[in-house]
Amino acid sequence: SQKIEQNSEALNIQEGKTATLTCNYTNYSPAYLQWYRQDPGRGPVFLLLIRENEKEKRKERLKVTFDTTLKQSLFHITASQPADSATYLCALGQDMRFGAGTRLTVKP
Amino acid sequence: EAGVAQSPRYKIIEKRQSVAFWCNPISGHATLYWYQQILGQGPKLLIQFQNNGVVDDSQLPKDRFSAERLKGVDSTLKIQPAKLEDSAVYLCASSLGVGTLAKNIQYFGAGTRLSVL
Repeated sequence: SQKIEQNSEALNIQEGKTATLTCNYTNYSPAYLQWYRQDPGRGPVFLLLIRENEKEKRKERLKVTFDTTLKQSLFHITASQPADSATYLCALGQDMRFGAGTRLTVKP
Repeated sequence: EAGVAQSPRYKIIEKRQSVAFWCNPISGHATLYWYQQILGQGPKLLIQFQNNGVVDDSQLPKDRFSAERLKGVDSTLKIQPAKLEDSAVYLCASSLGVGTLAKNIQYFGAGTRLSVL
């Protein structure tokens, strides 16, 4: 059966460092992958979309990679700030299968 | 631009009761989605509408859940009768529609938090 795993439930880093979040999947070949941010009590907010034929996508301090051979996407936040603290979700393909999310805390 | 509106924000009911949630998508968005998000998990797609037609309802528990999209705009999701395991946040999202990938980007409402006692 299809499975989506996001690394550790929680990730704590120091302000200014780079946060790296992982999304691994099995038994699935999505044409694209999306990353969303979710704050407590709010709905997810779209951040980035990357297609299967794209290796890397950037937007300001955010970078996403997509390795269809490894069946993995990495999501990086450079020069992290306390305001980046939130849960980050990956979602695969048109049927929008979400991972459970990784709760990121950036400490000042 | 107004976002996706959902109501109510919170609802507490007893098991076996009925409940309904309402969603008003972003104006001009042809596609509407309902998700269930259980605490600690990612959202799970329940049903997808394209205008007023159902595109995917494969994960909707049809024995107790129903949804409709009135005139291709607003939508309601109903649970009848509710079970304890239905306690979750119900999220509504909308997107421009099909075609380019940009049209598939979803915009979510704040959700309705349902507690079934």
